[in-house]
Amino acid sequence: GAGVSQSPRYKVAKRGQDVALRCDPISGHVSLFWYQQALGQGPEFLTYFQNEAQLDKSGLPSDRFFAERPEGSVSTLKIQRTQQEDSAVYLCASSLTAGGPDTQYFGPGTRLTVL
Amino acid sequence: AQSVTQLDSQVPVFEEAPVELRCNYSSSVSVYLFWYVQYPNQGLQLLLKYLSGSTLVKGINGFEAEFNKSQTSFHLRKPSVHISDTAEYFCAVSLSTNDYKLSFGAGTTVTVRA
Repeated sequence: GAGVSQSPRYKVAKRGQDVALRCDPISGHVSLFWYQQALGQGPEFLTYFQNEAQLDKSGLPSDRFFAERPEGSVSTLKIQRTQQEDSAVYLCASSLTAGGPDTQYFGPGTRLTVL
Repeated sequence: AQSVTQLDSQVPVFEEAPVELRCNYSSSVSVYLFWYVQYPNQGLQLLLKYLSGSTLVKGINGFEAEFNKSQTSFHLRKPSVHISDTAEYFCAVSLSTNDYKLSFGAGTTVTVRA
């Protein structure tokens, strides 16, 4: 079956540009997570959705980062006025239920490079 | 708060030799433990997880891990590696008090040589 997909796979932005990263979770999955993976590091949590509700955005590094999941399926992570330190791989993961340690299924990520 | 330490950043190993990747965590409450593998240019894939019960957990591709509560460790092992096991391996923990989001270690790069 289809896994988690993300688009674009690669994005190059000039400093100051806005970008939008898309995540298509596995159909029917309730929970959706965004992570940021800097070069040579493990992924770090950004934000969590349960259906359309954003229940935790404690990992978003600044108010330039915004995420939404308006219909409880596809999610978009938006970064305004990109900075060089935003360069990283952005990973999306989904899991079937909420309220339990379900397996999180990861997409291939979007590699963002800010020049 | 919880943290995850992967003690080895790089592990070179010869084909058919055993490998052990070390992971320690710190948490004041019960945790759920995971090992993920990341092949080049691919997403993270779950190898195995410990939720409860037997402390020895078997996963895919011949990997296993042992949960040791007293030592707060969850080391990953494989008795005989293949070239195709060359990848980056991440240990992660999640808590029921944290919406089960994953906290990852920095990763261990395993390079298998013939």
